[in-house]
Amino acid sequence: ETGVTQTPRHLVMGMTNKKSLKCEQHLGHNAMYWYKQSAKKPLELMFVYSLEERVENNSVPSRFSPECPNSSHLFLHLHTLQPEDSALYLCASSQDVGQGYEKLFFGSGTQLSVL
Amino acid sequence: GQNIDQPTEMTATEGAIVQINCTYQTSGFNGLFWYQQHAGEAPTFLSYNVLDGLEEKGRFSSFLSRSKGYSYLLLKELQMKDSASYLCAVRDGDYKLSFGAGTTVTVRA
Repeated sequence: ETGVTQTPRHLVMGMTNKKSLKCEQHLGHNAMYWYKQSAKKPLELMFVYSLEERVENNSVPSRFSPECPNSSHLFLHLHTLQPEDSALYLCASSQDVGQGYEKLFFGSGTQLSVL
Repeated sequence: GQNIDQPTEMTATEGAIVQINCTYQTSGFNGLFWYQQHAGEAPTFLSYNVLDGLEEKGRFSSFLSRSKGYSYLLLKELQMKDSASYLCAVRDGDYKLSFGAGTTVTVRA
């Protein structure tokens, strides 16, 4: 099993739907992240959790709501999204935050299309 | 904030060498990373530099000059499987890792 698993791999939703993205890491890490990757644009950091506590909320609209019930699981709840929210949503984990050398381990992402 | 620049696309021939440059501006430098991302897959870690100089790891090497805000990733003996996007990322402070838009490398036979 891969280190960081994301489900679903693909998601198509209407603007009035509510859906959730799930991320699970099997690496024993303490920090988890959500990134947004749009075509030809840099990865955008959305949220950071350390030991289930949110340490970063990077000016993300409230229609994105993260949840971290334990250090192995991370969710991104989606509600009334806009077409411009269509993108690849990547989850990542690292051993801890606060150390410069900490590398991120990424999942394969959820490709989201908002119609 | 961060300003990370890297070329959009590069093409090279199998067996050749390609150098991907990355320039950055940051308020608090705490390390530079290179990641590889194949289409439809997760980005995977390639290298980390925090001190000036060259880090070599097999066919891949990464260089850093902090005074110039400059790094490059060198791919030697290119193989078809090296066709991917290469992401330069800079850590600013404790945990914030900011990425460039990525360089798509196409290796031709």
